[in-house]
Amino acid sequence: DAKTTQPPSMDCAEGRAANLPCNHSTISGNEYVYWYRQIHSQGPQYIIHGLKNNETNEMASLIITEDRKSSTLILPHATLRDTAVYYCIVRPRVEVQGAQKLVFGQGTRLTINP
Amino acid sequence: DSGVTQTPKHLITATGQRVTLRCSPRSGDLSVYWYQQSLDQGLQFLIQYYNGEERAKGNILERFSAQQFPDLHSELNLSSLELGDSALYFCASSPHEGIAGRSDTQYFGPGTRLTVL
Repeated sequence: DAKTTQPPSMDCAEGRAANLPCNHSTISGNEYVYWYRQIHSQGPQYIIHGLKNNETNEMASLIITEDRKSSTLILPHATLRDTAVYYCIVRPRVEVQGAQKLVFGQGTRLTINP
Repeated sequence: DSGVTQTPKHLITATGQRVTLRCSPRSGDLSVYWYQQSLDQGLQFLIQYYNGEERAKGNILERFSAQQFPDLHSELNLSSLELGDSALYFCASSPHEGIAGRSDTQYFGPGTRLTVL
């Protein structure tokens, strides 16, 4: 029951910005957009989340369109260590049944090339 | 390092056996979540405990059970193991009950790789 669509794979050159898109056209007003990544078979790593405003932290920036139907995760200066599967997840804001679980789709396999 | 620890890292066992996976949440976190990642199913939510009580349940098999102890560590018990139970099992923790509006981000441990032969 994933509510997001992501390209299955992307490539990016080392040192360039990696822009990962996510479509969540059925998102409702009380749902957050979360991004996680999984490097090889390690535990998923939290990156960033947002509701409607753009967000930035030490890892990445999250740009959410005004209609909130899509978003883009930006890794400003990609390194080889950013090679991973990136998951975009829509998660309810309020306590509704199932709000606690994260629903992972297939994600985008990002490969950073030297 | 997320601060969530899981033991053991690897577990190899036979069909029909029972195993216990252990998770210690980040300091101060009250919620623990268990996820299963298999090749054909991807990452799937199994169950959540908050401060010792079960809070949410996913598609967890009846052969699987979990509990959270007073010190907040959690154990996932898998019994009557089948070949299809071979997977990575991840534990995550968060400060509160898991309501996103509280920015209740889940942080994942390194996982336990279970191989059933």
